[in-house]
This record gives sequence, C-alpha cells and structure tokens, in this order.
Amino acid sequence: SQTIHQWPATLVQPVGSPLSLECTVEGTSNPNLYWYRQAAGRGLQLLFYSVGIGQISSEVPQNLSASRPQDRQFILSSKKLLLSDSGFYLCAWTETGVGYTFGSGTRLTVV
Amino acid sequence: AQSVTQPDIHITVSEGASLELRCNYSYGATPYLFWYVQSPGQGLQLLLKYFSGDTLVQGIKGFEAEFKRSQSSFNLRKPSVHWSDAAEYFCAVAYTGGFKTIFGAGTRLFVKA
Repeated sequence: SQTIHQWPATLVQPVGSPLSLECTVEGTSNPNLYWYRQAAGRGLQLLFYSVGIGQISSEVPQNLSASRPQDRQFILSSKKLLLSDSGFYLCAWTETGVGYTFGSGTRLTVV
Repeated sequence: AQSVTQPDIHITVSEGASLELRCNYSYGATPYLFWYVQSPGQGLQLLLKYFSGDTLVQGIKGFEAEFKRSQSSFNLRKPSVHWSDAAEYFCAVAYTGGFKTIFGAGTRLFVKA
C-alpha cells in the first residue's frame, strides 16, 4: 500500500536560519507531489507542485524553494526563514491528478 | 478562475443531530469534487469524492455528499453527528488534466453534548 512520510513533526527555528522539510512516498511511482501551507485559522495555500523528477512549479513567490531529487522525494527549503514563514506545512501526493493523500504535517514556528 | 466557497466558517451542532456543510464551486465544466477532514494538528483525510455517475456519494465515517450541477454545490451531510466528528472540513475541486486542487477555506465543526 502507498504511504507518505513527512518530517519533522514540529520545528522551532530562529529568524534567518535555514529550513529543510522532507517528504517521501512509498508504494507508488511517478506521483504528483505537493507542498501546502496552512496558516493558523486559515485554509490551504499551495506552495509548490511537481509532476516529475526535477520539475517544480511555484505558486507563490516567496523565500521558499522546493526540489525533487528523486521520484518519491520532495523537499521544501529556505535559506533564511522569516517570521511569516510560521505555519503548518503539508505534503501530499496523487497518482492520477486527483484525490490527495496528505502527510501528517510539520508545525513550523519561527521565533 | 476556479474557486470554492464554504460559506460557514464554523458550525455547532448537538451530538446526535443531523449535519449539513455547504460547498459551492465556480467552474465551467464538470469538476472532480472532494471533501476532506482535518483533526487538530493532523493532515487532511479524504472523506469522499465525486467524479461522475450517481450524484449522491457515500464516504467514510457515515458521511455522504450530493452533487447538484444546477446549484454548483456539493454539500456534505451526516444524519447523526458524533462527538468525534468535531474537526475542520474542507471542500475541494479539481479538473480533468489539471494538476492542482483548489480548496475552500474550511468549516470548523463543533459538537456539543
């Protein structure tokens, strides 16, 4: 069966520090991968999506970036975190372009 | 542009009462429609989905939703709410050939004893 792993679960980082969040999918190949951010009390904001290795589409210009070094690995990064980067980050995958399976999320607090 | 509207930010129902969460979408063609549930601090879980065919779809945890093309709606229902249903519910829409799903802002459900 397919599973999705996202880590870490929680993270507290100082302003200006780098960020790396990792997401991996098991049990499938060539999935579409997504990073969403959910600010407190708000809906989901699509940050990046990828339909293949090395292919990244950015939805919101900001100081975050994403990479897909392997078929089932999706990484969210930042060189210097801002206070406004705090939020709940969710990774998701889908094989057919519809019906997401979400990871359990990473709670990021920038202090 | 495609959009999804969930007009109710939060709803409170008594345990055992019926529930209906509203969702309207804006899209020219027949979309793929979804409802997700999110418990606090967790990821989202797919409750049900509509692709085509019967406009009344059954999901997990006793939920159902009805697609009404004339009203561009996909409302979620449950005949008897349990305290464990307290969570946030998201309606979402995707379309054939697209890679993105558009989410509504969510409706938080509170269940009182």
